[in-house]
Amino acid sequence: NAGVTQTPKFQVLKTGQSMTLQCAQDMNHEYMSWYRQDPGMGLRLIHYSVGAGITDQGEVPNGYNVSRSTTEDFPLRLLSAAPSQTSVYFCASSRQGGMGGYTFGSGTRLTVV
Amino acid sequence: SQQGEEDPQALSIQEGENATMNCSYKTSINNLQWYRQNSGRGLVHLILIRSNEREKHSGRLRVTLDTSKKSSSLLITASRAADTASYFCATEGNSGYSTLTFGKGTMLLVSP
Repeated sequence: NAGVTQTPKFQVLKTGQSMTLQCAQDMNHEYMSWYRQDPGMGLRLIHYSVGAGITDQGEVPNGYNVSRSTTEDFPLRLLSAAPSQTSVYFCASSRQGGMGGYTFGSGTRLTVV
Repeated sequence: SQQGEEDPQALSIQEGENATMNCSYKTSINNLQWYRQNSGRGLVHLILIRSNEREKHSGRLRVTLDTSKKSSSLLITASRAADTASYFCATEGNSGYSTLTFGKGTMLLVSP
């Protein structure tokens, strides 16, 4: 099994551009989440989903959109990139209830200039 | 806002020594989890302790949880250079859906 796959690994955007960060998991996990990691800040939750068709906001949702049309995929869209969105983005998935822990992707390092 | 706060922020030890990291949190939890992150990589789940458990072991890892003090500790025994990484505690709340709230992490350096 591949686990959680994130693409791309690196991306440079200009201010105002839009893009989609891809996340796919092959473990049939119901729960999927997007986090951003900034130096000295730990990980902060952006959006999460508890199943296909169900999404909700986390701690820092502004400037990001998500959708969950299938169990496997949970893309994160940056609508109009800003330098404040320069960060490392992690996607994670878990079984319902999360008691087995979360499986994380390897991350996307995004720079907005 | 951050739920967990790890202490210390950084820890430097020699191979063979034990490493202890602490985590404090603010609200009631369903469980507390510890993750490891090697430089430039994703997080790896290490161990989960439920709110009704006080201690849990996994290999060289020992986790304790004190819900009355809202604190947890992670002990790594007989540390190896390969244990060099950042360690994060994360809490899962007991209301609503399952999401994790992370602390800022402890950076562990194990020197040969």
